[in-house]
Amino acid sequence: IAGITQAPTSQILAAGRRMTLRCTQDMRHNAMYWYRQDLGLGLRLIHYSNTAGTTGKGEVPDGYSVSRANTDDFPLTLASAVPSQTSVYFCASSDSPDSYGYTFGSGTRLTVV
Amino acid sequence: GQNIDQPTEMTATEGAIVQINCTYQTSGFNGLFWYQQHAGEAPTFLSYNVLDGLEEKGRFSSFLSRSKGYSYLLLKELQMKDSASYLCAVKDSNYQLIWGAGTKLIIKP
Repeated sequence: IAGITQAPTSQILAAGRRMTLRCTQDMRHNAMYWYRQDLGLGLRLIHYSNTAGTTGKGEVPDGYSVSRANTDDFPLTLASAVPSQTSVYFCASSDSPDSYGYTFGSGTRLTVV
Repeated sequence: GQNIDQPTEMTATEGAIVQINCTYQTSGFNGLFWYQQHAGEAPTFLSYNVLDGLEEKGRFSSFLSRSKGYSYLLLKELQMKDSASYLCAVKDSNYQLIWGAGTKLIIKP
């Protein structure tokens, strides 16, 4: 089934630990995105990649890093987790930055304690 | 700054019609989107407007006025499964999506 797979589904993480959230798509989409969603706030862009080999910073990039070694994978790494990074994280993709209709993964619920 | 405003919560009755408004102020405009998000799930695409006017898709319609920075999503013949959050988003001049906080729609029998 074509789509986006995120892992893990949920995680409880001790503050200060390193964590990588995985995102894989099989639609051969060029653009990929990482968002966080917090209660009362809209989805906020963390990092994005318009094509394999390139990445860019979004609205809230601090404390996060990404890589895009190939078209399919776009992992998000928290180098040293802090409680304010407790959130639901969504990975999304689109055929190109100016196309409409993003496809979202099912999300990762991360709790940093 | 960039801003998307929509009501936090709305309540409607099964079988009725509801209109969810969205106003926006963004640096540039390359389209407005509506997404539906059920609790605990990912957002799913509902509609896209780039020109002024009404786009109809079954029970759902979306309207855009670029001069007013305004859109609405109209849901007809409401069903219990329509209980969800509805997210308004605008693609800015850099083709990045700016998201509203969402409107939680509660449908009562």
